[in-house]
Amino acid sequence: KAGVTQTPRYLIKTRGQQVTLSCSPISGHRSVSWYQQTPGQGLQFLFEYFSETQRNKGNFPGRFSGRQFSNSRSEMNVSTLELGDSALYLCASSPQGGTSEAFFGQGTRLTVV
Amino acid sequence: QKEVEQNSGPLSVPEGAIASLNCTYSDRGSQSFFWYRQYSGKSPELIMSIYSNGDKEDGRFTAQLNKASQYVSLLIRDSQPSDSATYLCAVRRGGGSYIPTFGRGTSLIVHP
Repeated sequence: KAGVTQTPRYLIKTRGQQVTLSCSPISGHRSVSWYQQTPGQGLQFLFEYFSETQRNKGNFPGRFSGRQFSNSRSEMNVSTLELGDSALYLCASSPQGGTSEAFFGQGTRLTVV
Repeated sequence: QKEVEQNSGPLSVPEGAIASLNCTYSDRGSQSFFWYRQYSGKSPELIMSIYSNGDKEDGRFTAQLNKASQYVSLLIRDSQPSDSATYLCAVRRGGGSYIPTFGRGTSLIVHP
């Protein structure tokens, strides 16, 4: 059974640009969550999508947005990039969310210069 | 502010010893508790989940939950150098709300 796939693995962007990250969950999983991980802040929850609807949202500015498609694949977009957005962005999938266990993808390492 | 607290470490133990990792949480409504292992440069990997008070064993790993005292711990028996990693504690409310809170992790070093 294939795991969670995130693309691209690495990205370098310039301040002010926008970026789109992609996540394909485990087959059959309907919940996709996104996280930002930095050395200073640890792992922080961005948002969760379930059946194409954003079900939960963390405390991030509106520059961070996402969506989920009918096949459960999800994308995350960050507009007007700032240096502080440099981080490892992780996607996790679970069958239903809630009490279900989540499995992480390998992440996308974003560097903003 | 819902928080999950972990000692950042590093916790250093000799090979073959028991490593004890602790996590406290502030939200009394928490119902699901998870331990993830993260190797340097890799993504977190789920190693244990626990939902009710008491102990849960899986191979060399034992998770312990005490909701009254609001702590969850992970014991690693017969520690191996390959266990050297950062261990993240995650806590989540139930009721269909999926907003987990992660601790910042404890770095474990198992030396030969």
